[in-house]
Amino acid sequence: GAVVSQHPSWVICKSGTSVKIECRSLDFQATTMFWYRQFPKQSLMLMATSNEGSKATYEQGVEKDKFLINHASLTLSTLTVTSAHPEDSSFYICSARDRGLSNQPQHFGDGTRLSIL
Amino acid sequence: GESVGLHLPTLSVQEGDNSIINCAYSNSASDYFIWYKQESGKGPQFIIDIRSNMDKRQGQRVTVLLNKTVKHLSLQIAATQPGDSAVYFCAETSSVRRYKYIFGTGTRLKVLA
Repeated sequence: GAVVSQHPSWVICKSGTSVKIECRSLDFQATTMFWYRQFPKQSLMLMATSNEGSKATYEQGVEKDKFLINHASLTLSTLTVTSAHPEDSSFYICSARDRGLSNQPQHFGDGTRLSIL
Repeated sequence: GESVGLHLPTLSVQEGDNSIINCAYSNSASDYFIWYKQESGKGPQFIIDIRSNMDKRQGQRVTVLLNKTVKHLSLQIAATQPGDSAVYFCAETSSVRRYKYIFGTGTRLKVLA
């Protein structure tokens, strides 16, 4: 089945550090990937849609300069949390959709737990 | 809008019994619905989906029911097993939203031995 790999799975770093998270589709091509944020005991909140070869589109209230997204190939999207602060600590999850299958289920990575000290 | 909750509702079920998890969705234009299972520390795992032209779909041990009149979705798990313990989320989407998902608040399923 479709597999999405996310790396790293856990990051602990100091305040002010920038952190890059990678999301890869392993056995399919994804023109569109999605980045979510999840706080403890809460649901997934969509942050942005990553489009291969074009700019990401961000949900209302999400700072594009804070959360930089790059989708340089059909199998890789990256999310960089710039100058991270403790309030950015969260569980970040990506998902990908098979190219050309817009109404098929998204496949999710196993998330990245980000802890900012 | 996006769903935010401070407490996850919990459903406790005896092993071997059937489980029913409910979800109310918000957008009448939604035409595609998906159920995901999320175990602790992991990403959501696809369970089953249904499109708005159907009202029932069955998988292995799972059934999804869709009632568009009252905008209600349910997931039924037959013969619940300990491995079914997790948080279950419904998601709704539509072509209008370019198939971006809106997730429900989630339900924690606890299977009692």
